[in-house]
Amino acid sequence: AQKVTQAQTEISVVEKEDVTLDCVYETRDTTYYLFWYKQPPSGELVFLIRRNSFDEQNEISGRYSWNFQKSTSSFNFTITASQVVDSAVYFCALSEAVGSGGSNYKLTFGKGTLLTVNP
Amino acid sequence: NAGVTQTPKFQVLKTGQSMTLQCAQDMNHNSMYWYRQDPGMGLRLIYYSASEGTTDKGEVPNGYNVSRLNKREFSLRLESAAPSQTSVYFCASTESEVRWGDQPQHFGDGTRLSIL
Repeated sequence: AQKVTQAQTEISVVEKEDVTLDCVYETRDTTYYLFWYKQPPSGELVFLIRRNSFDEQNEISGRYSWNFQKSTSSFNFTITASQVVDSAVYFCALSEAVGSGGSNYKLTFGKGTLLTVNP
Repeated sequence: NAGVTQTPKFQVLKTGQSMTLQCAQDMNHNSMYWYRQDPGMGLRLIYYSASEGTTDKGEVPNGYNVSRLNKREFSLRLESAAPSQTSVYFCASTESEVRWGDQPQHFGDGTRLSIL
């Protein structure tokens, strides 16, 4: 079975600091997809990014960047110049095939990292 | 732009009561999912439906049943609620016909369920 590990349970930073959230995954699939979701205090889950196993290019979107390293099975997420609005639980997830047909997928989630950005 | 709509948002039940959580999506997605979120556990899949008329068990299906009423709606039923089912329940949907699971899942806002 696939596994996603987010070793950091909670992180607390002061506004404007950079912060990196770690994600390590295990899979036997050669083709797979990784995702990051944000869950703010209001509780909804917001999709942030998707990365496929063939594309190891880092991605940057504003203050957010993602570092995918297949060699270490890691997909880390960095927030530059953090802001109070970044306070949330962040989940890393791995797409995993389910069922016998091989065409259905579920997300295997890590346990999440609670990020608190203090003013 | 409703996306995925869950009802109710909050519910308190007594042990042994039954109830149905409703989920509807307006994105014409084929695949729908029910997850539960417990503190420190992340999200775990209860049931999923790859298309209208089909449903399959996920990681934690015991104590639940589901119905894929039509393409839009996917309901989750607790026949005899137990305190262990106190959780936040999320419905999600995604485009189907995916070959490698590359489509993000779109989540509803969740249902907070407490069972006394």
